[in-house]
Amino acid sequence: ETGVTQTPRHLVMGMTNKKSLKCEQHLGHNAMYWYKQSAKKPLELMFVYSLEERVENNSVPSRFSPECPNSSHLFLHLHTLQPEDSALYLCASSLGTGQETQYFGPGTRLLVL
Amino acid sequence: DQQVKQNSPSLSVQEGRISILNCDYTNSMFDYFLWYKKYPAEGPTFLISISSIKDKNEDGRFTVFLNKSAKHLSLHIVPSQPGDSAVYFCAASATRGSYIPTFGRGTSLIVHP
Repeated sequence: ETGVTQTPRHLVMGMTNKKSLKCEQHLGHNAMYWYKQSAKKPLELMFVYSLEERVENNSVPSRFSPECPNSSHLFLHLHTLQPEDSALYLCASSLGTGQETQYFGPGTRLLVL
Repeated sequence: DQQVKQNSPSLSVQEGRISILNCDYTNSMFDYFLWYKKYPAEGPTFLISISSIKDKNEDGRFTVFLNKSAKHLSLHIVPSQPGDSAVYFCAASATRGSYIPTFGRGTSLIVHP
């Protein structure tokens, strides 16, 4: 399988649940990203990992916890989310964090009840 | 405050005609610009980019124009095809500082047969 994959594609969770989003890239890239896309808003960068180290964290609430065990995998652990966290969560990867094209996964559509 | 603005949330064009999608930016440090295309249920895919040393970049039916003095760029698609119907995101990054692009809200293009 090639490209960037994300699982699950859809997720419904209650505010007290704990769930995790998974992203996997098969492109040999060294950088991975989590973005949030809410309706009628720009793509919001959440986290950036380069060579498995977090290099950027854009003031994201602690109820979102990223994990990057290796350069091919990225997780977003979710805990006690709020309804306003309902959005499309996109994972992306790039060769590095320089001026390189990002490759996006299909996203996980999250609904928090 | 949004640094990358796509003021038209939607655009409707007839097949065969030209589609022009606009993007404005406020950060004078931005010197690399990208357009991404997104179909429903898929992640954004890279379409075309331009560096600030150029004012035009062309790739097949797609041309991006950059007006640095006006802090404005546009994507021209000619001739437009129904398969071009998608959401188009403008993004900008700075080679001095974080390369990670800042995205606009997107413009939904509909090309009618």
